[in-house]
Amino acid sequence: QVQLQESGPGQVKPSETLSLTCTVSSGAVRTGGYYWSWIRQHPGKGLEWIANIYYSGTTFYNPSLKSRVTISVDTSKNQFSLNLSSVTAADTAVYYCARERYTPKALTTNFFFDSWGQGILVTVSS
Amino acid sequence: QSVLTQPPSASGTPGQSVTVSCYGGGSNIGTNPVSWYQQFPGTAPKLLILTDNQRPSGVPDRFSGSKSGTSASLAISGLQSEDEADYFCAAWDDSLNGRVFGGGTKLTVL
Repeated sequence: QVQLQESGPGQVKPSETLSLTCTVSSGAVRTGGYYWSWIRQHPGKGLEWIANIYYSGTTFYNPSLKSRVTISVDTSKNQFSLNLSSVTAADTAVYYCARERYTPKALTTNFFFDSWGQGILVTVSS
Repeated sequence: QSVLTQPPSASGTPGQSVTVSCYGGGSNIGTNPVSWYQQFPGTAPKLLILTDNQRPSGVPDRFSGSKSGTSASLAISGLQSEDEADYFCAAWDDSLNGRVFGGGTKLTVL
């Protein structure tokens, strides 16, 4: 069973860059057929997908966050990372990394997240 | 405001059956598969149903998913106290070209 673990600072100052890393164990980010995603959840709210990446480096971003987000993968360390720039209080949330099965097709597009990290609360505050 | 609409709460007594609904439109649920997630307070979501009605291994068959038109449902039979959690639905939206989620339904076992 693949396991994921987020790491990074729990507090970031406004206007700075939020940087998180997800370390994958009992599995490899180079596993074909899976994308590696970042998802966040504002306190007491629903889920918001941020971005994902394939081990080859192919990336997809949520259009609403794309201008501020960079996702990257390091297959040698079995990790993938998230950078979110120019943060504000609205970026305060629990950030999860997850393994995603994403299959875009001509007629239907399917996705689901079958493994999740435990989540890390990031607070934007001075 | 979530693209997929879920009732904020649902409840049932032990042993009962309960259904959680997820309402969308033709560009999301009406066209693409739905997945469901279970989340306990302070923990990460867990995949419960993938692709409308398929259960991952390890998920009890008390949980089942279905879809009709532009709405999807998660049914839980033989309700147990440990089923008390938040439940989220998700689907791809062709118009938005992205992943959309429901706002979640808090299930209370009375």
